[in-house]
Amino acid sequence: KQEVTQIPAALSVPEGENLVLNCSFTDSAIYNLQWFRQDPGKGLTSLLLIQSSQREQTSGRLNASLDKSSGRSTLYIAASQPGDSATYLCAVSTGANSKLTFGKGITLSVRP
Amino acid sequence: DTGVSQDPRHKITKRGQNVTFRCDPISEHNRLYWYRQTLGQGPEFLTYFQNEAQLEKSRLLSDRFSAERPKGSFSTLEIQRTEQGDSAMYLCASSLPVGSGQYYNEQFFGPGTRLTVL
Repeated sequence: KQEVTQIPAALSVPEGENLVLNCSFTDSAIYNLQWFRQDPGKGLTSLLLIQSSQREQTSGRLNASLDKSSGRSTLYIAASQPGDSATYLCAVSTGANSKLTFGKGITLSVRP
Repeated sequence: DTGVSQDPRHKITKRGQNVTFRCDPISEHNRLYWYRQTLGQGPEFLTYFQNEAQLEKSRLLSDRFSAERPKGSFSTLEIQRTEQGDSAMYLCASSLPVGSGQYYNEQFFGPGTRLTVL
């Protein structure tokens, strides 16, 4: 059974800091990995998707990497801003049509 | 707005009542997923449709839960005889089929329906 872990559960950083959010998964036979952002009481916003054959994806200040063999992904946020404060969730799928298995998320607070 | 929409956004009900939620996926997406999220947890998969066919159901989906997608467009999720443990955010997501040009099965989520069972 696939399990996804995100540690720590919460993180507080000063504005402007570059930061890395970690995600690990137990079964390396994944199809893709998605990073999401969730604001309090809201739905999920897709940030980046990495196919299993890819090593990284970039969007603006965000860069996600994938090391499938070691079961790890990182989300790098450059020059963090207070508006980046949210919960960041990592999720993996194990097939082209399959469901996502989520971690519990990392709640990020960026202090002005 | 062409995103996934869900209705209602909030629902408060008494234990034992039935509730029904609706999800409208992005129009060209033939795959639709339901997830449930409780406080402090990541979303958990409930069920999945491809067009009108329900292809997978989680063990979380007890016999009090039923989902339909009668014409392959919108979907409904009904909970009968609600219990306090059903209180959660119910999230709907949709995606394009593989081979349609969106190869990656990227799932797009709606705003969710927050259910509170008193």
